[in-house]
Amino acid sequence: GQQVMQIPQYQHVQEGEDFTTYCNSSTTLSNIQWYKQRPGGHPVFLIQLVKSGEVKKQKRLTFQFGEAKKNSSLHITATQTTDVGTYFCAGDGGGSQGNLIFGKGTKLSVKP
Amino acid sequence: ETGVTQSPTHLIKTRGQQVTLRCSSQSGHNTVSWYQQALGQGPQFIFQYYREEENGRGNFPPRFSGLQFPNYSSELNVNALELDDSALYLCASSTWDRAVNEKLFFGSGTQLSVL
Repeated sequence: GQQVMQIPQYQHVQEGEDFTTYCNSSTTLSNIQWYKQRPGGHPVFLIQLVKSGEVKKQKRLTFQFGEAKKNSSLHITATQTTDVGTYFCAGDGGGSQGNLIFGKGTKLSVKP
Repeated sequence: ETGVTQSPTHLIKTRGQQVTLRCSSQSGHNTVSWYQQALGQGPQFIFQYYREEENGRGNFPPRFSGLQFPNYSSELNVNALELDDSALYLCASSTWDRAVNEKLFFGSGTQLSVL
């Protein structure tokens, strides 16, 4: 079945360093979403990308959707301790309405 | 904070028992989706309800069932609990759109432990 893979699984950075997580789908996606889950919390929507090659920025976060709409990335510039959490990408699973396929996530820890 | 509330927050059951989890959707949202999140994994889609009917289903057996009520709140029922059902169960509300997956507003979840 369709899979969404994320790398790396874990990333430990020093505060102020940059961070990037990558997301790859086995099939072409119509759109991709990114969520952040703080430790002990629930996923919180960050952004949705729809167009091929789309790039969106939210302050220190930059999101990209690949030209082939099969991959995506999230880049955080100058990480802060508030960035700690697990970042998930989620692609449309097709078939069933509402079926988002989540990756396993990248867990980010930031050392002050 | 989202307006999505789930109850209970924690639950302990034994194998073979049945459980009902509840969710109140955010004001203005007409769609509820349920996800299962095992430890260290991403959420897995169970099913979605729209207009009180199941609108989509993931790869979960029939012992996972649900309901949506006229006020858009929802229940997830799991029969014949198995040890592997131990997970965080997340409810997410949204507004239904045929064209694109709408962004999900998650509740805080119910942590289910099956012993």
